[in-house]
This record gives sequence, C-alpha cells and structure tokens, in this order.
Amino acid sequence: AQSVTQLGSHVSVSEGALVLLRCNYSSSVPPYLFWYVQYPNQGLQLLLKYTSAATLVKGINGFEAEFKKSETSFHLTKPSAHMSDAAEYFCAVRTGTASKLTFGTGTRLQVTL
Amino acid sequence: GAVVSQHPSWVICKSGTSVKIECRSLDFQATTMFWYRQFPKKSLMLMATSNEGSKATYEQGVEKDKFLINHASLTLSTLTVTSAHPEDSSFYICSARDQASVGLYEQYFGPGTRLTVT
Repeated sequence: AQSVTQLGSHVSVSEGALVLLRCNYSSSVPPYLFWYVQYPNQGLQLLLKYTSAATLVKGINGFEAEFKKSETSFHLTKPSAHMSDAAEYFCAVRTGTASKLTFGTGTRLQVTL
Repeated sequence: GAVVSQHPSWVICKSGTSVKIECRSLDFQATTMFWYRQFPKKSLMLMATSNEGSKATYEQGVEKDKFLINHASLTLSTLTVTSAHPEDSSFYICSARDQASVGLYEQYFGPGTRLTVT
C-alpha cells in the first residue's frame, strides 16, 4: 500500500521568505512522487515530479523538491515566496506506471506582505 | 499540449434529477481517465477509474449505480450523478492518462465541475 502524509494543513510565509511544504511517503516499492498546485475552484496543475532519476527535482514557478529515501520525504521548497504562490498544494505518490495516484491531505499556503 | 476540459464548469440541479459531467482530452488520447471528488478544504478522493471500451472500476464505498461512468471514446469520459441529493454536492475533477507518454503515463487534470444539488 502507498500513502502520503503532509505535515501542516496551513502554512503562512511572508513575501520573499522561504517556502517549505513537507511531504512524507510510505511505499513498499520505489515510488513516483508528485507535487500539484490547486488555485481556488480550479483543477490541479503539476508542479514537479520525481521518477527515480535525479533526487533534486526542479519544477515550474521556481519550486523544487528533493527526494530523500532515508527520510522517506519529498519536501517542496521555493527560495522566495510570491503573492501568486498562495494556493493549495498536494503531494501525491504512485507505485508504478499503471497504479493510482494517492494524494495527501493538502497544505494551504498563505503569503503575506 | 496535454489539455483536459470538463463541462460544465458548474451546475445547479434539483434533488432527484440526474446530472452528466463530461471530461475530454483535447490533444491526446486517453484509454484511462480518473474521476475524483473533492470536499471543501479536503483532499481528492478517487471515485473510479474509467477505461475506454470497458466497465469502470469503482473504489470501495462508491456506489456504481449512482455514479455512472461511460468512456465511449479515447477522448471522452462522462460521469452521471443519478438521482442527485444535496450530499452529492461537491467538486468533481477528472484526469486523463496520456497513453503515448513513454514510461510514466502522465496524468493531466481537468479544471473541475462544481455540483450543487438543491
């Protein structure tokens, strides 16, 4: 079975500050890991994905995530938050190309002036 | 590329009526599509996996007779909420798997459909 835990349902940062959104996974086989962003009343947009290549993955909008097998983590970071980053962020795991995505409970990012 | 559309984007219906939601892959073929339900401030819950030309696979606890799924072509899947009740009000999101994406079978998400049952 696969699962994802996102620590912190709500994170607030100041504009220009570091963004860190935490994600830990559980999987019995090497996982594929994803971060998605959702703006209000919209679907999900893929930020980045880990597919067993480089452990440091760079995505869109300046986000990146590092796969750490020893810590079973895939935390999302951005050096400098922008107001437009305010949204809901979901971490997801999949074990194999044909299996289903399992989503975490989401983290709402608030960016303040 | 890799655009998924949903129609309608929002719908209000009366209790007891049925509502059909369409999910289309606009620029790729998708033998597999997924239907999710999202409650306010909650994560996405997979309802069913839709396979072109065959019956959908429903997740445990999802009523297949209430949520009818049809995947009649490589670019279209429909979700029909039958005899809708207020508790069916939710945000429904579909995703489509690009069968041509080598190796990873990337999923692309639609913009969602807000259903309100009065």
